[in-house]
Amino acid sequence: EVQLLESGGGLVQPGGSLRLSCAASRFSFSSYAMSWVRQAPGRGLEWVSAIIGSGGTTYYADSVKGRFTISRDNSNNTLFLQMNSLRADDTAVYYCARGLNFYYYYAMEVWGQGTTVTVSS
Amino acid sequence: QSALTQPASVSGSPGQSITISCTGTSSDIGSYNLVSWYQQHPGKAPKLMICEGNKRPSGVSNRFSGSKSGNTASLTISGLQAEDEADYYCSSYAGSSTLMIFGGGTKLTVL
Repeated sequence: EVQLLESGGGLVQPGGSLRLSCAASRFSFSSYAMSWVRQAPGRGLEWVSAIIGSGGTTYYADSVKGRFTISRDNSNNTLFLQMNSLRADDTAVYYCARGLNFYYYYAMEVWGQGTTVTVSS
Repeated sequence: QSALTQPASVSGSPGQSITISCTGTSSDIGSYNLVSWYQQHPGKAPKLMICEGNKRPSGVSNRFSGSKSGNTASLTISGLQAEDEADYYCSSYAGSSTLMIFGGGTKLTVL
């Protein structure tokens, strides 16, 4: 079964950094665009960032642009999200999700179980 | 850019049909046929139910259908079942500046 497994969440102080990872298995990882989507406690979904299959193009929501960096290691089937200058409103469950093909991140067909990030002093 | 607008809640009885609307603007839903719908049960990850406005991924019941008119997309669930009770989110591509936006979500209650 196709699987995504996030890790790296935790408690961090405002202004701190955290790196999330998403390990992919049982599909051709480099053939798919990938995204990060977050959900604050009791709130709706918010798209955060996306990267095409090769890693050559990245996209960011305005709310994280300049603070977060998405990347991927296709040789190890892993997606990353480097989060710097974290703020309280970054507190959320972070999901990694697979797009429909190499470029297509607009619809996300496979989701991980999520990893929780809490920004608090 | 603001989120897409969805009703906070809808309800229906088993066997009935319900429709959830998702209203955007001419810069997102109105300009692109790239609306997706997701189902999310409490404590679970979202599940893609509809993509590109009206396409069902493999394994999704044909009781779920999508449509669009102008700046508004809709998700219709026919033959409501208890297991359909969940939160539903729409999303749309919104151009090269904003990229991707979600709706605020709709809680579906099966009475």
